[in-house]
Amino acid sequence: GAVVSQHPSWVICKSGTSVKIECRSLDFQATTMFWYRQFPKQSLMLMATSNEGSKATYEQGVEKDKFLINHASLTLSTLTVTSAHPEDSSFYICSARDWEWRDTIYFGEGSWLTVV
Amino acid sequence: QKEVEQNSGPLSVPEGAIASLNCTYSDRGSQSFFWYRQYSGKSPELIMSIYSNGDKEDGRFTAQLNKASQYVSLLIRDSQPSDSATYLCAVNQGGGADGLTFGKGTHLIIQP
Repeated sequence: GAVVSQHPSWVICKSGTSVKIECRSLDFQATTMFWYRQFPKQSLMLMATSNEGSKATYEQGVEKDKFLINHASLTLSTLTVTSAHPEDSSFYICSARDWEWRDTIYFGEGSWLTVV
Repeated sequence: QKEVEQNSGPLSVPEGAIASLNCTYSDRGSQSFFWYRQYSGKSPELIMSIYSNGDKEDGRFTAQLNKASQYVSLLIRDSQPSDSATYLCAVNQGGGADGLTFGKGTHLIIQP
C-alpha cells in the first residue's frame, strides 16, 4: 500500500529554538497533506491542511505563525515549530491524501517532539 | 458540523471471540469510511475502507456500512491480544480539500 514517511521520528530541542518535521509521500502524489497533534491518551487533533502550491489552512486556535507549513512539492510537506516551548511537546503526525485511490488517507509514522 | 461518534470504551473481549466496534456519523453526504488502528505511542494504521452499503471482509476484519442509519461498524473475528489497540473510525465527505473527520476512538482490550 501507499507509504507516507515522516522524519524525524524523535526530536529533542531547547526552548526557544525551531524544529522542522518532514512528511513525504513515497509512492503517490499528494496534493493535500494534513498535520495532526496528539497528546498522550487524547484523540488526534487536526492542526492544518497543507495544499501543494498554496497556503495552508489552519484550524481554529492553531497559530499559523508558530506552526509554519510548507508544501512546495507534490510529495513533501514540512511543519516547522517556531520558538518551541515545553507545552509544544507532543506527538505530531502527518497524513497524505491519495486522490487516485478513492481519497484514501495514509498516515506517517509520527514525530515525537520534546522541548526542554 | 460533521461529527463522528464512538464509544470510548474500554471494550474488553476474550481472546478468540468476536470484537464489535461501532461508529455513527452525522453528515449524510459522507462517501468514504475508514477504520484505523492505533497502538499506544504510534500513528494510526489503515486497516479497512468501505464505500458502499453492506459488508466488506478482509481476513479477520469485516467492515459494515449502513448509510440509511448512518453507522459503520468493524468486526474482528478470532480476536488476538495483538488486536488490543485504539480503533479510530473516520469519515470523508469526499471531494474538496476536507480531510477526515475522526471519532475519538474505541479502546479495545483482548484478554488472553
